[in-house]
Amino acid sequence: KQEVTQIPAALSVPEGENLVLNCSFTDSAIYNLQWFRQDPGKGLTSLLLIQSSQREQTSGRLNASLDKSSGRSTLYIAASQPGDSATYLCAVRNQGGKLIFGQGTELSVKP
Amino acid sequence: NAGVTQTPKFQVLKTGQSMTLQCAQDMNHNSMYWYRQDPGMGLRLIYYSASEGTTDKGEVPNGYNVSRLNKREFSLRLESAAPSQTSVYFCASSRKENTEAFFGQGTRLTVV
Repeated sequence: KQEVTQIPAALSVPEGENLVLNCSFTDSAIYNLQWFRQDPGKGLTSLLLIQSSQREQTSGRLNASLDKSSGRSTLYIAASQPGDSATYLCAVRNQGGKLIFGQGTELSVKP
Repeated sequence: NAGVTQTPKFQVLKTGQSMTLQCAQDMNHNSMYWYRQDPGMGLRLIYYSASEGTTDKGEVPNGYNVSRLNKREFSLRLESAAPSQTSVYFCASSRKENTEAFFGQGTRLTVV
């Protein structure tokens, strides 16, 4: 059974700091891994999708990496801003097609 | 471009009542999903539909039924609501099994 873990559960940083969010998964037989952002009381917004054959994806200040063999992904946020405050979720797509989520990291960026 | 639309946005039910949560997508996606989100539990998959006419159980299917009415619509039914089903429910879709997933804005359900 695929299990997805995100560490830390919560993180508070001062504005301008670079930071890394971690995601690990137990079964390396995946199609892809997707990072989402969720603001309080809202739905999920897709940030980055990494296919199993890829090592990383970049979008603006965000960079996501994937090491499938070790079951790990990281989301790097450069020059953090208060507007980056949200919960960040990673999800892996099993080869059966199911999308399995971690519990999320709640990020707070202080001005 | 509406994306994934869920109705209703909020609902209060009494224990034992039934209801159907509706989800529709206008992106011609094949795969659709239902999740529930509870504090400290992340999102847990209830049911999944890889394509029209197919459904599969997820992590927490007990107490729920689904219908993939057509390619656009995927409904979630609670036959006899219980307080343990108080949660925020999200619907999602993706074009294929290995492509980006998009989420609706959620339905906040309270069972009293």
